[in-house]
Amino acid sequence: AQTVTQSQPEMSVQEAETVTLSCTYDTSESDYYLFWYKQPPSRQMILVIRQEAYKQQNATENRFSVNFQKAAKSFSLKISDSQLGDAAMYFCAYLSGNQFYFGTGTSLTVIP
Amino acid sequence: GAVVSQHPSWVICKSGTSVKIECRSLDFQATTMFWYRQFPKQSLMLMATSNEGSKATYEQGVEKDKFLINHASLTLSTLTVTSAHPEDSSFYICSASLRLTISYEQYFGPGTRLTVT
Repeated sequence: AQTVTQSQPEMSVQEAETVTLSCTYDTSESDYYLFWYKQPPSRQMILVIRQEAYKQQNATENRFSVNFQKAAKSFSLKISDSQLGDAAMYFCAYLSGNQFYFGTGTSLTVIP
Repeated sequence: GAVVSQHPSWVICKSGTSVKIECRSLDFQATTMFWYRQFPKQSLMLMATSNEGSKATYEQGVEKDKFLINHASLTLSTLTVTSAHPEDSSFYICSASLRLTISYEQYFGPGTRLTVT
């Protein structure tokens, strides 16, 4: 069964600094997608970044980038130049076929 | 981008009554819609998966007679919480699936906060 593990329930970062959120997953599939979602206090799930497993190049979206290690089944999110608006719950998610599997989330606090 | 709406965003109902939550894909036809439940500071828990015109598939432990799902069209799915009790108070999120190349990406609604008094 596919599982997604986020080992950091809470993280904090100083404004303008860089923080990395960890995620590991377990699967026997070769084709799948990985996502990072942000859930601010409004609770709307917002897609931060997406990675296709068949792509070796790490995805990047502005200040957000991932370190995708397929063999290690690791998918970490790096947030550069952290801003106050980055404070939220972050969920790592694995998608294969039509099924999403979410991690338990990491609560990120940004310190002014 | 694909937009999913939910209505209502917040509902309060009395114990024993039923409440319906609507999920709509506004600018695309969703092959599948999903219903999640989220408790405070916890992850999303998949309740059921529904395809248009067929019965929903419920996750283990979810009472299908209590959480009725109707997927009437490719743009609308409804979740009805029947005979609601205070323990059903939660945040309910729907998502709609849009097919991509080898997999399906889900677009999330803004959620519905249900409070049962």
